[in-house]
Amino acid sequence: DADVTQTPRNRITKTGKRIMLECSQTKGHDRMYWYRQDPGLGLRLIYYSFDVKDINKGEISDGYSVSRQAQAKFSLSLESAIPNQTALYFCATSEPGEGRNQPQHFGDGTRLSIL
Amino acid sequence: DQQVKQNSPSLSVQEGRISILNCDYTNSMFDYFLWYKKYPAEGPTFLISISSIKDKNEDGRFTVFLNKSAKHLSLHIVPSQPGDSAVYFCAARDSGGSNYKLTFGKGTLLTVNP
Repeated sequence: DADVTQTPRNRITKTGKRIMLECSQTKGHDRMYWYRQDPGLGLRLIYYSFDVKDINKGEISDGYSVSRQAQAKFSLSLESAIPNQTALYFCATSEPGEGRNQPQHFGDGTRLSIL
Repeated sequence: DQQVKQNSPSLSVQEGRISILNCDYTNSMFDYFLWYKKYPAEGPTFLISISSIKDKNEDGRFTVFLNKSAKHLSLHIVPSQPGDSAVYFCAARDSGGSNYKLTFGKGTLLTVNP
């Protein structure tokens, strides 16, 4: 089983709909992240959470919201989807421990298309 | 303004030869650098990293070199194998404040030809 699981893997929806992407992890990591990837661009950070009570905006948070329901669960919502939010979305986790190697571990992504 | 730049969108090499992927950065507060590898339909997977206090880190066929004065790092893969064909992302960690977020480059598509 994957350590970082994203659901759904693919979603097609219409402009104006509310969408929720879910992420769960079995790695026991405190830190969780949501990124989006667009063609020709790298991964850009949407939101991140260092623990259940800590939520922070990333570089492109407008139009998105998140909920950290538990240590293992971090969901991303698009309240009213628009076509330019069509992208590949990744959830990631990491351990704390500044000064030590703390790579982020990614799920396999959710491909979201908004018509 | 892009703080992590991978100026080569793609690279093609022959099997058995060396692959060199380059990355430049602008933020002096970056203290840790990572390379990720991504296959289609999968998430990025961590490959190798280097601290800003070092200039080289090696793991099997993969070596990362860091030149702090030039704000440049490179990933060397020797020998290259067809299974190495993937998109490679350079990422940097910002030690400023308490956030420790990663900033990613746009990626380089490596194709290793048999």
